[in-house]
Formats: sequence, structure tokens, C-alpha cells
Amino acid sequence: DAKTTQPNSMESNEEEPVHLPCNHSTISGTDYIHWYRQLPSQGPEYVIHGLTSNVNNRMASLAIAEDRKSSTLILHRATLRDAAVYYCILRDVADKLIFGTGTRLQVFP
Amino acid sequence: GAVVSQHPSRVICKSGTSVKIECRSLDFQATTMFWYRQFPKQSLMLMATSNEGSKATYEQGVEKDKFLINHASLTLSTLTVTSAHPEDSSFYICSAFWRSTDTQYFGPGTRLTVL
Repeated sequence: DAKTTQPNSMESNEEEPVHLPCNHSTISGTDYIHWYRQLPSQGPEYVIHGLTSNVNNRMASLAIAEDRKSSTLILHRATLRDAAVYYCILRDVADKLIFGTGTRLQVFP
Repeated sequence: GAVVSQHPSRVICKSGTSVKIECRSLDFQATTMFWYRQFPKQSLMLMATSNEGSKATYEQGVEKDKFLINHASLTLSTLTVTSAHPEDSSFYICSAFWRSTDTQYFGPGTRLTVL
């Protein structure tokens, strides 16, 4: 299974933009890049996903490097409710998601 | 967004008993569902892929006779933990794949405690 590498933790202040990096140097051409986030004692929440082009939705933006070996999740204005563990995951052709350790995002008021 | 439910949300049982956990996709049909397990302060670990109308596919190291999976309809998958032991205590989470949005949606999880 292709793997991703993320920083263990990041910090941000409220209303500031947050850029969460993810490296996936062994990504294959058919792997989609997915981002989920998880609050304590809850199931993961879908954030965004993409294949090659940058993607935007109401929650975040996903910037994908041209060689697809890295990507960045962008939260445009962090709020306290954005504090969570963010997972960058590669989805394979079998649609399986293999979770890594994720990035714990702390947001300070 | 799409909603996936799990029942029960929390269960406590005695060692040796079996526990069934239900996973339902409430507003879409899912031919494929997934079951995960998460221990405290760890990431989610994929246990198995549940396919509607066929046998589940288990990840390496997951005992299929201990974790029975049934996906009898397009909106329901069940996980039965048979002869549960304290080491089976964990947070069990399911997800359902909605093909029209190309996305997996997760349930809220079930906390299993085996005494």
C-alpha cells in the first residue's frame, strides 16, 4: 500500500490560514489523494479529495504538486472547531483507505 | 453530506459473549463498506472490506472467524465480534463507499468494552 508522511502536529491561531503538508512519493497514477479529519471519539469526517488538479470546496482547498508526490490541505481561516487529527490518505483501485498517523492540529484563540 | 449510522454507539459485554454492530448508509446505497478498529491514541486500522452479496475480504492478520461480517443489503453491513475477550475492547468504525460521489463516509463509531 502506498504510504503518506505527515508532520505529527501543527499549531495555528484562530482566523489564520493553515497549510497541512503531506508527502506521498510512492503514489501511483491511479491513486486518489483523500483528506479526512477526526475529532476524539468520533468517526473520521471527509474533507476533500483529488487526483491531479487542485480542488476547492466549502471546507478547504487541496493543492496537488505537479509530480503528485506531495499535496497540501489548506484551511483558509482556522476556527477552534477545526482542531482535529487530519489524515492524508491514498485511495487505491480497491477503494481502500489505509490510514497513517495523521497531523494533530491545534488552534489557539 | 452523506450519513452513515452505527448501532449501538457503546456496548459493554462479558468475556466470551458475542456482540453485533450494525452499520447503515442512510441516504445512499453502498455496495462496498469497510470496517476499521481504533485503539486509544492510535490511527484507524482497516479490518475488512464488506461486499454486498458476497464474502468479506479480510486484511492480513484479522481473524475472519472471530470478526464475522455480513452485508445482506445495499444499506446494511454487520460486524459480529464472536467470543469477545478484553483485548477486543476497542473503537469500531465502519464506512460506506458512495460511488456517485467517489467518497467514503464514516459512521460515528462503536465503543466496545469487554469485561
